[in-house]
Amino acid sequence: DVKVTQSSRYLVKRTGEKVFLECVQDMDHENMFWYRQDPGLGLRLIYFSYDVKMKEKGDIPEGYSVSREKKERFSLILESASTNQTSMYLCASSLPGSENQPQHFGDGTRLSIL
Amino acid sequence: LAKTTQPISMDSYEGQEVNITCSHNNIATNDYITWYQQFPSQGPRFIIQGYKTKVTNEVASLFIPADRKSSTLSLPRVSLSDTAVYYCLVGDGEGGKLIFGQGTELSVKP
Repeated sequence: DVKVTQSSRYLVKRTGEKVFLECVQDMDHENMFWYRQDPGLGLRLIYFSYDVKMKEKGDIPEGYSVSREKKERFSLILESASTNQTSMYLCASSLPGSENQPQHFGDGTRLSIL
Repeated sequence: LAKTTQPISMDSYEGQEVNITCSHNNIATNDYITWYQQFPSQGPRFIIQGYKTKVTNEVASLFIPADRKSSTLSLPRVSLSDTAVYYCLVGDGEGGKLIFGQGTELSVKP
């Protein structure tokens, strides 16, 4: 069974801090994704990656960056955290080939920026 | 982009069949339709996927008409544990991104 593990379930940081959210998957999936989820807005794609050292912007990349140095690990970075980045962050992975491959999600990191 | 539209919420009672319809007027030729389920404090979980006509698995059925501009997720005899948010997704055909809509919050009552 695919396991996607996010390093923290809950995280509290201060405005202006640099924040790292880590995600690891154990199924050798090429594709990895970062979403944020907010009430009334559903899930919105921030960044995704189809291979090591490769990244593509999603719908809301502003204020975020990502790192994919190893296939199993995909990190989301908030360069200078702001209060409007308080949200639930979800990582997902999938097999390669096409966008029709089901995505496997972690349980999320609830991030609060004070 | 193939955006989706679903009802924001639905109510049902235990033992009933629930049908959630999703519209996706701009679906691309190669796109599949995928449904996910999400419980509170958990990530979404894949339920079912289809391209056309009907697909059935141990959890649900998916009905897709010939024009593929909509789809219906059918949950037979729901229980309290089926209370969750259900998302309908289609691939946008450009770079592999999936677009999550707002989802349908299903509430199953005893």
